[in-house]
Amino acid sequence: SQTIHQWPATLVQPVGSPLSLECTVEGTSNPNLYWYRQAAGRGLQLLFYSVGIGQISSEVPQNLSASRPQDRQFILSSKKLLLSDSGFYLCAWRGQGYNSPLHFGNGTRLTVT
Amino acid sequence: ILNVEQSPQSLHVQEGDSTNFTCSFPSSNFYALHWYRWETAKSPEALFVMTLNGDEKKKGRISATLNTKEGYSYLYIKGSQPEDSATYLCASTYSGGGADGLTFGKGTHLIIQP
Repeated sequence: SQTIHQWPATLVQPVGSPLSLECTVEGTSNPNLYWYRQAAGRGLQLLFYSVGIGQISSEVPQNLSASRPQDRQFILSSKKLLLSDSGFYLCAWRGQGYNSPLHFGNGTRLTVT
Repeated sequence: ILNVEQSPQSLHVQEGDSTNFTCSFPSSNFYALHWYRWETAKSPEALFVMTLNGDEKKKGRISATLNTKEGYSYLYIKGSQPEDSATYLCASTYSGGGADGLTFGKGTHLIIQP
């Protein structure tokens, strides 16, 4: 069966510090991978998606970046965090096809102070 | 930017009562409509994926319908139980949506009162 791991679960970082969130998927090959964010009082916002190794598409311009160094590994990074980066970050994967559901990780609660 | 709207934003229901809420979405270039349940301290879990106009899906006491021509979907919960308390998210995907990326609504926060 497929599993998705996301870490850390919580993170408190000062403004201007770097960020690295990691997500790995097991039990499937060539998944589509996604980073979503839920800011306070808002819905889930798609940040990045990837259809393959090294292929990253950004949906929302910001000071975050994503990388996919391996087929089942997806990393969300920032060189310098802003207060507005606080939120709940979710990694997810899908199989191929528009009718495949998203499978989410447990999320990371990021607080930028 | 695609707008997926959900109503109501929050809902209090007595245990044992049935309830329903709405997801509306643009009907042009539509591919699929997803429903997810997001319980506190857990990650969102897929309930249904529907693609065809008139689709109806059921999982236990929860069911959903889809009208792609007018751009809405209903989620029904029959005989609500405390464990149904959660935020229910709908999301749609469109042709040209980019890796089939889903656009989410803000959710309906359902609270079942004993």
